[in-house]
Amino acid sequence: EPEVTQTPSHQVTQMGQEVILRCVPISNHLYFYWYRQILGQKVEFLVSFYNNEISEKSEIFDDQFSVERPDGSNFTLKIRSTKLEDSAMYFCASSEETPYSYEQYFGPGTRLTVT
Amino acid sequence: GQQVMQIPQYQHVQEGEDFTTYCNSSTTLSNIQWYKQRPGGHPVFLIQLVKSGEVKKQKRLTFQFGEAKKNSSLHITATQTTDVGTYFCAGTGNQFYFGTGTSLTVIP
Repeated sequence: EPEVTQTPSHQVTQMGQEVILRCVPISNHLYFYWYRQILGQKVEFLVSFYNNEISEKSEIFDDQFSVERPDGSNFTLKIRSTKLEDSAMYFCASSEETPYSYEQYFGPGTRLTVT
Repeated sequence: GQQVMQIPQYQHVQEGEDFTTYCNSSTTLSNIQWYKQRPGGHPVFLIQLVKSGEVKKQKRLTFQFGEAKKNSSLHITATQTTDVGTYFCAGTGNQFYFGTGTSLTVIP
């Protein structure tokens, strides 16, 4: 069964450093998402991406964040200058059709630890 | 901003007992999805409800979408240890919002 993959599974970085989290969505999916989940808390929407541009973003997704689809398969989330409060699990997801009206498939997540 | 709250936050049940989690939105939702997240895992889609008053069943799970499309519930009949995890509702309003989640523990 096709699945969303994410790398790395765990990233440790120092405050102020840039990190890039990578995702490979399911190949025939058109919509891509990033979410974060602080330990023990709810899943928070960050951004959705379609047709090579951001279609929607939340208040969390400020200028420190950016997303890119550098080639036909990868979907990346960059955090420019990490802060302690960016420590969380980051999930990538993808779906076939219209955003939020169709099943989203989540990747296993990248645990980001900012020290 | 829009909020999607779930109650209870935690629920411990004996295996075989029923379980219900309730999801309430501050605004009307165009649809609602339910996800299950096992401890240490990622959210896995369970179901989507679109119509006002809709009820869907998956084996021991029953999902309802309220008439006003502002609330939803998930009911599990005769819980099993495999039901352990956190159940999130997620709805589309102005954006896509996950609920606060209900963590279910099943005591064998």
